[in-house]
Amino acid sequence: DTAVSQTPKYLVTQMGNDKSIKCEQNLGHDTMYWYKQDSKKFLKIMFSYNNKELIINETVPNRFSPKSPDKAHLNLHINSLELGDSAVYFCASSREGEGYGYTFGSGTRLTVV
Amino acid sequence: AQTVTQSQPEMSVQEAETVTLSCTYDTSESDYYLFWYKQPPSRQMILVIRQEAYKQQNATENRFSVNFQKAAKSFSLKISDSQLGDAAMYFCAYRISFYGGATNKLIFGTGTLLAVQP
Repeated sequence: DTAVSQTPKYLVTQMGNDKSIKCEQNLGHDTMYWYKQDSKKFLKIMFSYNNKELIINETVPNRFSPKSPDKAHLNLHINSLELGDSAVYFCASSREGEGYGYTFGSGTRLTVV
Repeated sequence: AQTVTQSQPEMSVQEAETVTLSCTYDTSESDYYLFWYKQPPSRQMILVIRQEAYKQQNATENRFSVNFQKAAKSFSLKISDSQLGDAAMYFCAYRISFYGGATNKLIFGTGTLLAVQP
């Protein structure tokens, strides 16, 4: 069983389109995150949700809108895609009070052409 | 603001040898956690080892161990008996709190790409 699963794994789309990435975790964790890994492999947090509540929004353009229908799911919708949005997007989850770091999904490679 | 610095963009090691990857961080907090993550070409992020700042004893996981120097804000990773499967990008990461809030986030260094030569 995959602990944190993201779909799709690859996404190629044209500029101006709207796309979504879905994430689900079956670990019972309280907090979920979206991270962006750029072309230089740098990982930066975008959002975090704790029990469906938005906790962190790190100066991300408002074209990016996360949605958490329940604490096991965190989706990322991107409007009006731009070339600079091309990156790998990682979903992750963690349980509060346990020092085991984050569990990451396998990532979604988004390519905007 | 907390920052994590990895000064070695690339490293190389011979199979069966030992290699040490460097990491320094900047924080004014006394209680935090440090991690090393491995990212192989499959791009999956894999937790290698973790260290609680309040523990003086260095963490060890099989062939992986850390040298945690709290006063120096240094957290290096030692890989012993290197294997071909250790070839990957390694990220050092810092986390201030496990109890929610805007501080509850992993802050990553820029990574060190490790090559293992047969």
